[in-house]
Amino acid sequence: GENVEQHPSTLSVQEGDSAVIKCTYSDSASNYFPWYKQELGKRPQLIIDIRSNVGEKKDQRIAVTLNKTAKHFSLHITETQPEDSAVYFCAARNKLSFGAGTTVTVRA
Amino acid sequence: DAGVTQSPTHLIKTRGQHVTLRCSPISGHKSVSWYQQVLGQGPQFIFQYYEKEERGRGNFPDRFSARQFPNYSSELNVNALLLGDSALYLCASSLFDSDPTEAFFGQGTRLTVV
Repeated sequence: GENVEQHPSTLSVQEGDSAVIKCTYSDSASNYFPWYKQELGKRPQLIIDIRSNVGEKKDQRIAVTLNKTAKHFSLHITETQPEDSAVYFCAARNKLSFGAGTTVTVRA
Repeated sequence: DAGVTQSPTHLIKTRGQHVTLRCSPISGHKSVSWYQQVLGQGPQFIFQYYEKEERGRGNFPDRFSARQFPNYSSELNVNALLLGDSALYLCASSLFDSDPTEAFFGQGTRLTVV
């Protein structure tokens, strides 16, 4: 099955700085890579996703890059704001295998 | 249009008991997946159903079972509950099972086993 590893487990950044979270996956057949944001006590919410035929995707302050050869993908958040503080999960399809999560804290 | 709904939202059970959790997918979605999320960890895949057939099973004991109904809603059953089954159980629905389509999560059922 798919094995997804996510780093770092915690990340503290100053407001306005960038945050980067990295994930690796094992199954070369995986073709869909979503990122979810989960605030305390709430459901995971999709923030951005990328398919295997694309190398990079951007949506305002959030971007995701995918390197299929190396089997890794990354989430980039620029100009971080306090409301970006949450736990972020990467996932790889098939069956949506999740990483262990990264707790992001944005310091005001 | 309603999102994914789960019931109940919270549940307290005693060790050895049985529990049934329910999930209604987004209208038009035919695939339902179940996940267990222990505090501080990422969701762990339990089952996926598509068109009432099991399409995937995670590394969980046989005490865990599920089914999908003709209206695409789903139930997750856990027998002989253990303390370690305490977790947030999430249901996610998507249009298809194999195409890379977005999965939408319900708010979860918080199960506490005492």
